[in-house]
Amino acid sequence: SQKIEQNSEALNIQEGKTATLTCNYTNYSPAYLQWYRQDPGRGPVFLLLIRENEKEKRKERLKVTFDTTLKQSLFHITASQPADSATYLCALNTGGFKTIFGAGTRLFVKA
Amino acid sequence: DGGITQSPKYLFRKEGQNVTLSCEQNLNHDAMYWYRQDPGQGLRLIYYSQIVNDFQKGDIAEGYSVSREKKESFPLTVTSAQKNPTAFYLCASSGRGGADTQYFGPGTRLTVL
Repeated sequence: SQKIEQNSEALNIQEGKTATLTCNYTNYSPAYLQWYRQDPGRGPVFLLLIRENEKEKRKERLKVTFDTTLKQSLFHITASQPADSATYLCALNTGGFKTIFGAGTRLFVKA
Repeated sequence: DGGITQSPKYLFRKEGQNVTLSCEQNLNHDAMYWYRQDPGQGLRLIYYSQIVNDFQKGDIAEGYSVSREKKESFPLTVTSAQKNPTAFYLCASSGRGGADTQYFGPGTRLTVL
């Protein structure tokens, strides 16, 4: 069956370090993969999109990699700050209207 | 200000009642979506609409209904047939499907008393 897995355990890191979040998927051939940020009690906010033919995408302190062989995406936040604390959702789309979301990984950045 | 709004933010329902959640967007987006979010689970698609007067069932449509009479509006009705409606409901819109990013509203938290 199709599955998206994100680490359900929270990630705790120290301010200034790089946070790395993982998204693994099975039985999908996604055309696009997106990362969203969600704060408690709020709707997700789009961060980055990467296409199947792209290996890496960057935006300011954010970097996403996409390995279609490993069926994995890594999401990095460099020089992390307490304000980066949130839940980060991975989302896959195979080209149609339906986007499949992972359950998210909670990130805590300590000052 | 362009954006997507949902109301109310909190909603309480007695068992056996139907309730309607509002979703409005002024982004001129064609596509709109309703998701349900439960603790520890990913967003699950309830219904989506690609264009006015058209909508499709998502993965968990049972006990829900929608309408799309205007481009800006996509209300969701949670009927009494939905056995476990307590959840956080999110509405989203996008210019097209697929690669277009989805813009989410602030959500409505529905609690059944």
